[in-house]
Amino acid sequence: QKEVEQNSGPLSVPEGAIASLNCTYSDRGSQSFFWYRQYSGKSPELIMSIYSNGDKEDGRFTAQLNKASQYVSLLIRDSQPSDSATYLCAVDYKLSFGAGTTVTVRA
Amino acid sequence: EAGVTQFPSHSVIEKGQTVTLRCDPISGHDNLYWYRRVMGKEIKFLLHFVKESKQDESGMPNNRFLAERTGGTYSTLKVQPAELEDSGVYFCASSRGNQPQHFGDGTRLSIL
Repeated sequence: QKEVEQNSGPLSVPEGAIASLNCTYSDRGSQSFFWYRQYSGKSPELIMSIYSNGDKEDGRFTAQLNKASQYVSLLIRDSQPSDSATYLCAVDYKLSFGAGTTVTVRA
Repeated sequence: EAGVTQFPSHSVIEKGQTVTLRCDPISGHDNLYWYRRVMGKEIKFLLHFVKESKQDESGMPNNRFLAERTGGTYSTLKVQPAELEDSGVYFCASSRGNQPQHFGDGTRLSIL
């Protein structure tokens, strides 16, 4: 079993729609959870961090964490073409990454 | 504030040669991490420095890889001798305390 698994992509959404990304992790003791965005050929860029159960909102992004279900998600509201990228879920200080979900926002 | 800087951005070497990658973390960041992404796989942790000390090197694949961070500033990752399976993108990240990590653009390493 992989440590961190993300829903398989690619994910294509129309401009203005909500993109929903999911991630599950295997270590029940994990405490820190991150979403990174990576454009092709560029570095992973932190967009959200979440440490406690519930929702955390930052602009158009909302992260949701459920430790009991070992599940973390990212919602992108009002998706824009500039949101087209690969989104990486990462867990803990010694970041364990998922394979990433590629999102394409259609204009 | 300058970000994490890595160079070279690309390196192409032959099997058996030596390559040294460099990472300059964000100023003031005590934590420095190396990661690697090989073709088609997830980004994998290699090691973690706190200042000049190796805190965790559990991800280093074998003894052909040597990482240093003399003086607790920049870090180097040397591969000697390079093998075909070492090809991939090597990322460096840094952080201050328990804050999230910030990544460099990576070094794309190709072994021929």
